[in-house]
Amino acid sequence: DGGITQSPKYLFRKEGQNVTLSCEQNLNHDAMYWYRQDPGQGLRLIYYSQIVNDFQKGDIAEGYSVSREKKESFPLTVTSAQKNPTAFYLCASSILQGVNTEAFFGQGTRLTVV
Amino acid sequence: AQKITQTQPGMFVQEKEAVTLDCTYDTSDPSYGLFWYKQPSSGEMIFLIYQGSYDQQNATEGRYSLNFQKARKSANLVISASQLGDSAMYFCAMRVVNTDKLIFGTGTRLQVFP
Repeated sequence: DGGITQSPKYLFRKEGQNVTLSCEQNLNHDAMYWYRQDPGQGLRLIYYSQIVNDFQKGDIAEGYSVSREKKESFPLTVTSAQKNPTAFYLCASSILQGVNTEAFFGQGTRLTVV
Repeated sequence: AQKITQTQPGMFVQEKEAVTLDCTYDTSDPSYGLFWYKQPSSGEMIFLIYQGSYDQQNATEGRYSLNFQKARKSANLVISASQLGDSAMYFCAMRVVNTDKLIFGTGTRLQVFP
């Protein structure tokens, strides 16, 4: 079945370690997005990509990095520079033609830094 | 700059009653799309309804309708005949054609009681 797969569902890391969250889609979508969700703050955009080998910073890109080497994949690395990385991370994708196409989401990864 | 504002952190509604969730937006781009998503406690994001900036009529999808008032830059979600399963977080989102950036509001937690 077509969809977006985020892995792992739960992730625990020690403070100061980099960690990479996986996001894979088989919907043939051009655009992919990463969001961070904290209680009471909704979804905040970290990075987004409209095409392979290109991406743009969102509203809270500091402490994060991404790559888009393949259309299907958009991994997010949470670096040690991110001051408060514990959060729920959601990946999404959509068709890149106009505005009338909804984004499809993965199941999310809950990252806990101890 | 784009912005989505949801001013209701939480709402209560009795089963079978209608409820309106507020959303206001800000953009200088004339071409944009507005979306509503539902997020149950499981964390998945479920697309509910879409309204385009040039659409003349309010969008409807089953029990969901969008009260679009362009001059006031509001896009309120109306849920008719509420059900217990409607209890969830609801997010308003906007995407503009120039940037393809998809941003979300802070959400409203809806609780439906018997």
